[in-house]
Amino acid sequence: GENVEQHPSTLSVQEGDSAVIKCTYSDSASNYFPWYKQELGKGPQLIIDIRSNVGEKKDQRIAVTLNKTAKHFSLHITETQPEDSAVYFCAASPFGGDKLIFGTGTRLQVFP
Amino acid sequence: DTEVTQTPKHLVMGMTNKKSLKCEQHMGHRAMYWYKQKAKKPPELMFVYSYEKLSINESVPSRFSPECPNSSLLNLHLHALQPEDSALYLCASSLPGLTNEQYFGPGTRLTVT
Repeated sequence: GENVEQHPSTLSVQEGDSAVIKCTYSDSASNYFPWYKQELGKGPQLIIDIRSNVGEKKDQRIAVTLNKTAKHFSLHITETQPEDSAVYFCAASPFGGDKLIFGTGTRLQVFP
Repeated sequence: DTEVTQTPKHLVMGMTNKKSLKCEQHMGHRAMYWYKQKAKKPPELMFVYSYEKLSINESVPSRFSPECPNSSLLNLHLHALQPEDSALYLCASSLPGLTNEQYFGPGTRLTVT
């Protein structure tokens, strides 16, 4: 079955700096890769996703890149702000499947 | 609108109690999910309903009983739970299809005493 590894587990950056979180998946049949942001006491919020027919997707300060050959995908946050502080989860989903396989999460702290 | 609502927000129950968690979405989604999340861990899938039929049960103990009365509602009935069942219970929904774009509710924080 699919397995998703996520690094780093914690990440501290200064406000205005960039943050990068990386994930690796094992199942080459996976074709959908969402990223979720979870703030304390809240449910995960879908912030960006990418499908396997696309290499990069950007939405304002966040971007996701996908390398299908290496089975890597990454979340890039530019010009970080204190409100970006949260736990971020990557996930992978096989074609037509109902399951999301989550990474272990990254706690991002942005210091003012 | 990508809103999934869950009630109650918090629940404390004894090991002999029976309680239910409720989830609702009005996005026309046809797949609904229950997840369990322990502190500092990712969500862990419990059940999937697709077109109101149970399609996935991740070997969840029978003290958890899901129910999907209609395409907008999802319940999780709880009975004889253990303290280790204390967790955040999350509901999610999606349009079944080629991708699995899931939207989560805020969760119910369950404490079993």
